[in-house]
Formats: sequence, C-alpha cells, structure tokens
Amino acid sequence: EAGVVQSPRYKIIEKKQPVAFWCNPISGHNTLYWYRQNLGQGPELLIRYENEEAVDDSQLPKDRFSAERLKGVDSTLKIQPAELGDSAVYLCASILGGGDTMNTEAFFGQGTRLTVV
Amino acid sequence: GESVGLHLPTLSVQEGDNSIINCAYSNSASDYFIWYKQESGKGPQFIIDIRSNMDKRQGQRVTVLLNKTVKHLSLQIAATQPGDSAVYFCAENMNSGGSNYKLTFGKGTLLTVNP
Repeated sequence: EAGVVQSPRYKIIEKKQPVAFWCNPISGHNTLYWYRQNLGQGPELLIRYENEEAVDDSQLPKDRFSAERLKGVDSTLKIQPAELGDSAVYLCASILGGGDTMNTEAFFGQGTRLTVV
Repeated sequence: GESVGLHLPTLSVQEGDNSIINCAYSNSASDYFIWYKQESGKGPQFIIDIRSNMDKRQGQRVTVLLNKTVKHLSLQIAATQPGDSAVYFCAENMNSGGSNYKLTFGKGTLLTVNP
C-alpha cells in the first residue's frame, strides 16, 4: 500500500508568486495534517482536517495561506503571495483515527521543499 | 506557552554503543507520546509510541521511558548502528476537547553514529 504521497518534491519560485502543494493521504485515513518544517527545527502544525472539516487552523497564516480537502481525501495547501520567509519543507501527514478514537501514529509524506527567491 | 523540547541538540556515539535521547514536555494534559526518526530529505518516520498510562515500552532495539512526575521522555537505542544516524523528534499529542490528535513536535536531536 502506498504511503502518504506529496507533490511536487521541490519547488522554487520568486517572491510574490503563488504556489500550491498537493497531498494524497493513506487510503481510509480521515485525519490529515499540514506541517511546516524550517531547517533544523521540528515540524509545526499549520492545519488539521478531520474528513473535509478543518478542525484546527489556528496556526495557519490566513492572510496568505489557504487549504482545502474536498471530499475528505486529497488536500491542497496554497500560498499566495509567497514571501522569502515561507521557504521551508511542507509536510503532510495522515492518521486513521479521529474524534474520540484512541491515539495512533501519524504517517508522513516526504514533503515539498519550497524555496522562495 | 506549553511546548515539547529536547535537552541535547546533538549526540555522537560509537557504533555498537547504546544511545539515549531525552525530551522534556510541559503539558500535563498530553496523553500520548511518539518518537520519530527523520533522515535527510525524508519525512519523519514512526519509531515507537507510549501512552500516558505506561512508563516503559520496548520495541526492536528501542525502548521509550516516560516519567510523568518530571514530565520527561527518553528514547534508548541499543547497539546503535550507522543507519540510526538521523534527527530524532519527540512529539506529544494533547487531547483537544472532543477531537484529539493535536500533535506537537519538539526541536529534535541529531544523532551521529561513528563507525
């Protein structure tokens, strides 16, 4: 079974341009996360979905970042316009559980490395 | 705010030695903890987890210890191998109301295994 799939792997854009990242979680996983990871740091949560509902987007910079998870499967994270400080690795993860389900591990994709120049 | 952090940013060991990576957490509401391994250019990979009702859990060559009294978590790797070289993150999961999986990561420890 395929793991969490992200694309593209790498993206280089000029500042003020838009960019989008795509994530296909593991089949059947209803909880999906987007994380941002700066160099030498741990991943930081941007948004969490349970099915198609964004249940935690408190750390998403809403002036320039947006995300969607139509039909509760694939998800897209967008930045418009990108700034130099947005350069980072954007990770997607998924979990089978949700709601009151007991904790279980999150599976991560390989990430998209964004460079804004 | 409450956070998860690590005592040591880097750890260098000889092949065959045991490694211990430490993590301090401050959120007493956290009920689930995970150790992840991240190799260069890859996403975090699950190693082992532990629930708050346990104080020790063992896997293959790895053991996680949880001390809730001092809010401390450790990862022990036995007979460390060059392939264990990576950044190790602890993560805590807080039950956020009726919906869980608010997974928060610490900053990571770089483990280097010398042959």
